[in-house]
Amino acid sequence: EAQVTQNPRYLITVTGKKLTVTCSQNMNHEYMSWYRQDPGLGLRQIYYSMNVEVTDKGDVPEGYKVSRKEKRNFPLILESPSPNQTSLYFCASSLRLAVNTGELFFGEGSRLTVL
Amino acid sequence: QKEVEQNSGPLSVPEGAIASLNCTYSDRGSQSFFWYRQYSGKSPELIMSIYSNGDKEDGRFTAQLNKASQYVSLLIRDSQPSDSATYLCAASLGATNKLIFGTGTLLAVQP
Repeated sequence: EAQVTQNPRYLITVTGKKLTVTCSQNMNHEYMSWYRQDPGLGLRQIYYSMNVEVTDKGDVPEGYKVSRKEKRNFPLILESPSPNQTSLYFCASSLRLAVNTGELFFGEGSRLTVL
Repeated sequence: QKEVEQNSGPLSVPEGAIASLNCTYSDRGSQSFFWYRQYSGKSPELIMSIYSNGDKEDGRFTAQLNKASQYVSLLIRDSQPSDSATYLCAASLGATNKLIFGTGTLLAVQP
C-alpha cells in the first residue's frame, strides 16, 4: 500500500529534550516536506527536500532541522524543543518536483506536546 | 493580508443541498489551485485541482476559478453527512515551488 508513515503519532516531551520525528514514504517520491498545523494558522511549511541531500527552508524553519540521506526517509529533528513547538506535524511527499502541479500525499500526523 | 484566505465556518448545510466553499488569494502570479479535505483527526487528502479559469467537475464536486477576481470556490452537490470535514484551499506561489494553504472551512452537513 502506497503511504507516508510518521512516527511517533503522539509524543509528550519536556523543554530542551531533543527529539526526532521520522517520516518514510514507499512511493519513490522525489519531493518531501514537513508542515505544522496550528488552529487559526493552517498548514505552514517547515522544510522541504527536492532530492537526496537537498533540503530547503520553508516558512517556519526556526528550531527545526531535517536531513535527507535516503530518498524514502525525511526525519524532522527538534534539537531543543520549546512549548511554542507544540503542534500537529505532517510529513508529505509528491511524485512531481513541481508541487504546484502535483498532489501532496500526507502522513497521518504526529501530535507533539512540549511541556 | 494572508496569502490564501478562507472563512473558517462552520458552514452548515442540510443533507442533499449544495455546499459552497470559497477562497481568495493574494498572489496574482498563482497558477495552480487545490482543494484538500481533512476529516477531524486525519490528514489532508486532495479532492480537486484547477489550473485555468472556469469550472472543473468531478462527480459531485465542482471547482471554480476566477483569476481576475483572485477567487476559487468548491461546490459540493447533494451534500452528504460524510462530506462533513474541513476543506483546505491551497494555491501555488507564482515564482516558487510552494503551496500556500488557507486555514480551512469547516463544513457540517446535517442529516
